[in-house]
Amino acid sequence: EVQLVESGGGLVQPGGSLRLSCAASGFTFSNYWMHWVRQVPGKGLVWVARIDNDGSGTSYADSVKGRFTISRDNAKNTLYLQMNSLRAEDTAVYYCGTVYEYWGQGTLVTVSS
Amino acid sequence: QAGLTQPPSVSKGLRQTATLTCTGNSNNVGNQGAAWLQQHQGHPPKLLSNRNNNRPSGISERFSASRSGSTASLTITGLQPEDEADYYCSAWDSSLNAVVFGGGTKLTVL
Repeated sequence: EVQLVESGGGLVQPGGSLRLSCAASGFTFSNYWMHWVRQVPGKGLVWVARIDNDGSGTSYADSVKGRFTISRDNAKNTLYLQMNSLRAEDTAVYYCGTVYEYWGQGTLVTVSS
Repeated sequence: QAGLTQPPSVSKGLRQTATLTCTGNSNNVGNQGAAWLQQHQGHPPKLLSNRNNNRPSGISERFSASRSGSTASLTITGLQPEDEADYYCSAWDSSLNAVVFGGGTKLTVL
């Protein structure tokens, strides 16, 4: 059974940092590009970042470029998202996944003072 | 980053057929195809159809996807109450080097 389990979300003050993790199992993690997608409750899906299967290539949405860093550890089957200089508008549920096959359950990030 | 275009809402009767559309351009849907996702309130998205219009195991045959040029379509036959949900299309945009999503279509089953 495929599982993607996000962790690391929570409440953080504006300007603060958080690191999200996504533990993958049930599929060959190292074969897939991985993505982070976010969603403000009640709103649509917004792509955040992607990393290719061996970690050599990444790309980011303009809204997070320079503040967020996506990375992966294929030996641990884990995807990460380092989020710095957080803003109120980064508040959302963050999903990890392959987008075209598998999705996690999401973790809520709230940026507020 | 520009997204894909979906109608905000569609309403159909029980056991009727709904066709949802998703319009992009030659850099995304027209070149890479589109995947379709279903999302019920409070739940994560679930893949209904991949970019090659194939259903994952466990997805009902009532859901079928197709593409004509830069417009992708999801047809749902024999509508059931549980089909009431938000539906999103997604595609890789080779020009933006990014995934693009549609704004979502809220399907109401009357």
